[in-house]
Amino acid sequence: NAGVTQTPKFQVLKTGQSMTLQCAQDMNHEYMSWYRQDPGMGLRLIHYSVGAGITDQGEVPNGYNVSRSTTEDFPLRLLSAAPSQTSVYFCASSYSKGVVVNTGELFFGEGSRLTVL
Amino acid sequence: AQKVTQAQTEISVVEKEDVTLDCVYETRDTTYYLFWYKQPPSGELVFLIRRNSFDEQNEISGRYSWNFQKSTSSFNFTITASQVVDSAVYFCALSTGVSSGSARQLTFGSGTQLTVLP
Repeated sequence: NAGVTQTPKFQVLKTGQSMTLQCAQDMNHEYMSWYRQDPGMGLRLIHYSVGAGITDQGEVPNGYNVSRSTTEDFPLRLLSAAPSQTSVYFCASSYSKGVVVNTGELFFGEGSRLTVL
Repeated sequence: AQKVTQAQTEISVVEKEDVTLDCVYETRDTTYYLFWYKQPPSGELVFLIRRNSFDEQNEISGRYSWNFQKSTSSFNFTITASQVVDSAVYFCALSTGVSSGSARQLTFGSGTQLTVLP
């Protein structure tokens, strides 16, 4: 089983460049989310989605865009990369019952390490 | 607002020692979920356990055990007879908003790096 697949695993950008981190899951999960992991700060929620066509902001959404055109895919876009966005990014998904989410196990991708110079 | 505190940034033990990872949480919700996740050196986070706020029974799974105490807002994790393969970063997390039908905020602690030496 593929589970949650993230690409690329590593990326180096220059300040001001744009890029998209891809996330796909094959478990038919309604809920998908993006987190960033920084040293000493744990994981912080960037954006999430409870289904196709529905997205919402998390704790640290500035500088990132998302869309959810299908159940399977949830790409994260950096419009104009900044050094502060250097981080490890994780995509995660879970089963949800309506709007009540995050009561069950989150399935994580392997992470994408982004460096912005 | 909810908060999860893992005061132990790094712990180092020798193989076969027991080790307890502390987790203290804050929330005003009466219904919430607590989680532990493991992040091995490979980087991918792995779910270990979920506990809801109405179930204070301790749980044991092999060498792992969890102690949930609402009176002290703690959800501590103990590894008995630690092994080198237990070396990882362990995260405690809190999910709230269930009572409002919107449990969308999953808050993670900053993690505890556990190193088990041979």
